[in-house]
Amino acid sequence: SQKIEQNSEALNIQEGKTATLTCNYTNYSPAYLQWYRQDPGRGPVFLLLIRENEKEKRKERLKVTFDTTLKQSLFHITASQPADSATYLCALDRTGYSGAGSYQLTFGKGTKLSVIP
Amino acid sequence: NAGVTQTPKFRVLKTGQSMTLLCAQDMNHEYMYWYRQDPGMGLRLIHYSVGEGTTAKGEVPDGYNVSRLKKQNFLLGLESAAPSQTSVYFCASRDPTVNTEAFFGQGTRLTVV
Repeated sequence: SQKIEQNSEALNIQEGKTATLTCNYTNYSPAYLQWYRQDPGRGPVFLLLIRENEKEKRKERLKVTFDTTLKQSLFHITASQPADSATYLCALDRTGYSGAGSYQLTFGKGTKLSVIP
Repeated sequence: NAGVTQTPKFRVLKTGQSMTLLCAQDMNHEYMYWYRQDPGMGLRLIHYSVGEGTTAKGEVPDGYNVSRLKKQNFLLGLESAAPSQTSVYFCASRDPTVNTEAFFGQGTRLTVV
């Protein structure tokens, strides 16, 4: 079965620094790797996705990289702010593939980011 | 635009009681999902549906049933609630033919005593 791991349960960084979160997966190659933000008591909110044939994607202060050889995605928040404090989830998406997991979004456990003023 | 709406937001059940959680989306999405989220376990897929009248099991389906009689609604049923089903339940929907991002509801916090 698909397995997705986010290496850190929690990450504390100083305001203004770059936060880097890691997502590793095994067994299946996703068509997309998605990143979500979740605030306490709320549902996850989509941030970015990166396709299997893309190396890097940017959106404002966010950057995602995807290395299909290492089976790893990195999520960066540059110039971090206290408002960036939240839990960040990555998800495997096999849209377009046939077979197991082809309709599912499989989530990692998340990394809780705290940006310290 | 309401997006994904879950009903109820909070519920306390006694062991053995039954209940139905309702998820409604107004985006005409084909795919709908039910997840549960527990501390340290992340989001785990219970059941999902790829269209009206279809359902399929996810990672943790035992003790739950679902129905998708109308495209906009996805119901999650607990026939005989157990304390192990105490959790926060999230519904999500998406349409991979347009883009693949999922839209989530606000969650239902269920406590089984």
